[in-house]
Amino acid sequence: QVQLVESGGGVVKPGGSLRLSCTGSGFDFSGYYMSWIRQAPGKGLEWVSYISSSGLTSFSADSVKGRFIISRDNTNNSVYLQMNSLRGEDTAVYYCATTEGHFKDWGQGTLVTVSS
Amino acid sequence: DIVMTQSPDSLAVSLGERATIKCKSSQSVLYSSSNKNYLAWYQQKPGQPPKLLISWASTRQFGVPDRFSGSGSGTDFTLTISSLQAEDVAVYYCQQYYSTRTFGQGTKVEIK
Repeated sequence: QVQLVESGGGVVKPGGSLRLSCTGSGFDFSGYYMSWIRQAPGKGLEWVSYISSSGLTSFSADSVKGRFIISRDNTNNSVYLQMNSLRGEDTAVYYCATTEGHFKDWGQGTLVTVSS
Repeated sequence: DIVMTQSPDSLAVSLGERATIKCKSSQSVLYSSSNKNYLAWYQQKPGQPPKLLISWASTRQFGVPDRFSGSGSGTDFTLTISSLQAEDVAVYYCQQYYSTRTFGQGTKVEIK
C-alpha cells in the first residue's frame, strides 16, 4: 500500500534553515505530482508547495515564495522542502502528499518549531 | 487566490442524524471544458493526517462509507453525512484545485 514518511523536522531559530524529506513507497512515485501541506498547532490546513512528476515545474504559496524550495529525486522516491529564513509563523506540522489536483495519500507529518 | 469559506465553523449533531457542511468559493471552480468541479473534501481526526473523502465535488473515494456525499457546482458545495456515527467526529475541510490550492478553514463536527 501507499506509504509516505516525512523526516527532518525539529527546532530551529528564527532566520535559520531546515530541510524536510519525504520518501514514498508502494506506488509509482515518479508518476505523481507531490505536495507539501502544513498545519500550525490548533489551526487549519495550508498548502505550501507542489512539484510536477518530472520535477521541472513547481509552485509555492505566496507565504513561502522566495524562502522555501521544493525538489525531488525520483531515483530515491523522495521529495524535499528546503526551508530558509524561517519565521515563527512557519511553526507547523508539515505533511507530504501525492497530488492529483486534490491530495490523495498523506504522510503522518513532521513537526517544525521555529523558536529562539 | 481563490478563497474558500466553510459554514458553520462547528456543529453538533445527534447520532443517526444528518450533518450538513457548506463550502463557498470566491470564484467558480467549475472547469467548463471538462464540466468538472475542482473541489475536494477531507476528514481529519485528532492526531491524524487528513483523509481524502471526496474529489471532483461528488466522487467518493474507495472505502469511504456511502453515508458521506458531496454535491454542488460552480461556487457552492455541500458535504452531507446522512446518518452521523461516533467515528465521524472530526474536522472537515473543503479544498479547491482549480487554481493552485486553497483550503477552507474547517468545520468541527461533534456529537450532540
